Amino acid sequence: KAGVTQTPRYLIKTRGQQVTLSCSPISGHRSVSWYQQTPGQGLQFLFEYFSETQRNKGNFPGRFSGRQFSNSRSEMNVSTLELGDSALYLCASSLTAPAETQYFGPGTRLLVL
Amino acid sequence: AQTVTQSQPEMSVQEAETVTLSCTYDTSESDYYLFWYKQPPSRQMILVIRQEAYKQQNATENRFSVNFQKAAKSFSLKISDSQLGDAAMYFCAYGHNAGNMLTFGGGTRLMVKP
Repeated sequence: KAGVTQTPRYLIKTRGQQVTLSCSPISGHRSVSWYQQTPGQGLQFLFEYFSETQRNKGNFPGRFSGRQFSNSRSEMNVSTLELGDSALYLCASSLTAPAETQYFGPGTRLLVL
Repeated sequence: AQTVTQSQPEMSVQEAETVTLSCTYDTSESDYYLFWYKQPPSRQMILVIRQEAYKQQNATENRFSVNFQKAAKSFSLKISDSQLGDAAMYFCAYGHNAGNMLTFGGGTRLMVKP
């Protein structure tokens, strides 16, 4: 089976712009979770989508949003980018039930100038 | 809220020797799951091992094993016969039945000396 794929792998934006990141889960996986990784804050949970519905949400401002499509692919959007949004954004997929093992994609590295 | 603490920012081990990485967590839940993930320089997070809290038996995956002490809320990872390819950041993570959301520790950078 193909693993989790994320596009793009690298992105450079300027403050105030918006960005959309994409994640394709492992075939058959219906849950997609997003995480932000920074040197200062470490790995933090953003949100989880299951069956096109947000099932869990972390403690991030409303500028961070996401959605999931009927084929389980997910997108994450960040509006009005700030310098502090520079990070590695990791997507993970898992099977249906909660607390299933999550398998991670290679990440999207976002740099905000 | 759950917290996960990895008290060793860096560890070093000689090739072929054994090393233990520490992790403690805090939770009021009785049913939960614990994981160790490895993140090499490529930044790809790779699952090393998983432990269900209701299982008393410690999980083992080849050279990797855990020492799960539920009462002490401790979850350490032992790597036997260390190899150069084991060099990476290791993250301890906590998950529970409310959904697929993990709480991660700050990570331990493992260096393997030839």
